Amino acid sequence: KQEVTQIPAALSVPEGENLVLNCSFTDSAIYNLQWFRQDPGKGLTSLLLIQSSQREQTSGRLNASLDKSSGRSTLYIAASQPGDSATYLCAVIAGYGNKLVFGAGTILRVKS
Amino acid sequence: DGGITQSPKYLFRKEGQNVTLSCEQNLNHDAMYWYRQDPGQGLRLIYYSQIVNDFQKGDIAEGYSVSREKKESFPLTVTSAQKNPTAFYLCASAAGQGYADTQYFGPGTRLTVL
Repeated sequence: KQEVTQIPAALSVPEGENLVLNCSFTDSAIYNLQWFRQDPGKGLTSLLLIQSSQREQTSGRLNASLDKSSGRSTLYIAASQPGDSATYLCAVIAGYGNKLVFGAGTILRVKS
Repeated sequence: DGGITQSPKYLFRKEGQNVTLSCEQNLNHDAMYWYRQDPGQGLRLIYYSQIVNDFQKGDIAEGYSVSREKKESFPLTVTSAQKNPTAFYLCASAAGQGYADTQYFGPGTRLTVL
């Protein structure tokens, strides 16, 4: 059974720092991996989707990498801002039906 | 203005009652999903539907039921058989079954059992 783990569970950094969020998954036979952002009490917003044949994706200050063989992905946030404060969720698709398996998330707080 | 709407935003249920959560999308997406989120945990899949009049159980379907009579609607009923229904419920949709199809999420419904 696919399991997704995110480390750290929570992170507090001063504004302007570059930071890395980690995601690991137990079964390397995935089709894609997605990073989402969730603000308190809100739904999820898709940030980046990496297909299994890709190694990384970039969007603005965000860069996500994927290493299928080691079962790991990282989300790199450059020059963090207070508006980046949110929960970041990692999810993988590993089988039929486009079903997502989620990690528990990393709660990020960027202090001004 | 395309998107996914969920209603109500907050819902309170008494013990033994069935309640229905609404999910509507105007994105013309074929696939729709229901997830449950508990504090400090990731989302878990309850039910999903890839086409009208068809749906499949997810990982935690016990105590829940769904229907998919229209492409744009995928309501979730939380029955009295669900032992611990207090949670945040999220609906999502995707264009199809392709692995590059991003899932788009609604704003969620917070259900509390009194």
